[in-house]
Amino acid sequence: EAGVAQSPRYKIIEKRQSVAFWCNPISGHATLYWYQQILGQGPKLLIQFQNNGVVDDSQLPKDRFSAERLKGVDSTLKIQPAKLEDSAVYLCASRGTGGNYEQYFGPGTRLTVT
Amino acid sequence: QKEVEQDPGPLSVPEGAIVSLNCTYSNSAFQYFMWYRQYSRKGPELLMYTYSSGNKEDGRFTAQVDKSSKYISLFIRDSQPSDSATYLCAMSYNQAGTALIFGKGTTLSVSS
Repeated sequence: EAGVAQSPRYKIIEKRQSVAFWCNPISGHATLYWYQQILGQGPKLLIQFQNNGVVDDSQLPKDRFSAERLKGVDSTLKIQPAKLEDSAVYLCASRGTGGNYEQYFGPGTRLTVT
Repeated sequence: QKEVEQDPGPLSVPEGAIVSLNCTYSNSAFQYFMWYRQYSRKGPELLMYTYSSGNKEDGRFTAQVDKSSKYISLFIRDSQPSDSATYLCAMSYNQAGTALIFGKGTTLSVSS
């Protein structure tokens, strides 16, 4: 079974520029999460999708961050404009349905804002 | 006070040692407790999962949950250099797909 795919793996941009990250979850997984992991911290949820609907985006800085999951499969997370404090690893995770509780994480996209 | 507290370490032990990793939490509504392992430049992977209080053992790993003290632990027996990683505790309110609340992670180094 293929894992969660993310791209790009690394990105360096200047502040005030925009950037987009892509995630392809495990096939058939209805729930998709985007987490932000700042260096030395645990992952923090940004947004959770169930199929193509948003379940929780309470911690998403909506003035600069946006995310979508068209057709309930792939997802894109965008930052516009980026700030220095957005430097972090952006992790995508997916979860199946039923009794399977496990969230499977992708390798992450490491963003550096200069 | 953060919802989940975890000592970031780093923790260095010799091969074969018993390792104890711990987290405390403040919200008594947490019901599901997990330990994730994260190797450098990789995503977290689930190591142990426990519901409510009690112990769970899987090979060299034992997870303990004490809800009365709001304290969870992960023990690693006969530690190996391949165990060198960051260990993240995580918690959730229910099993229905709620997002996880993570600790900061403890960085463990096992020397041969």
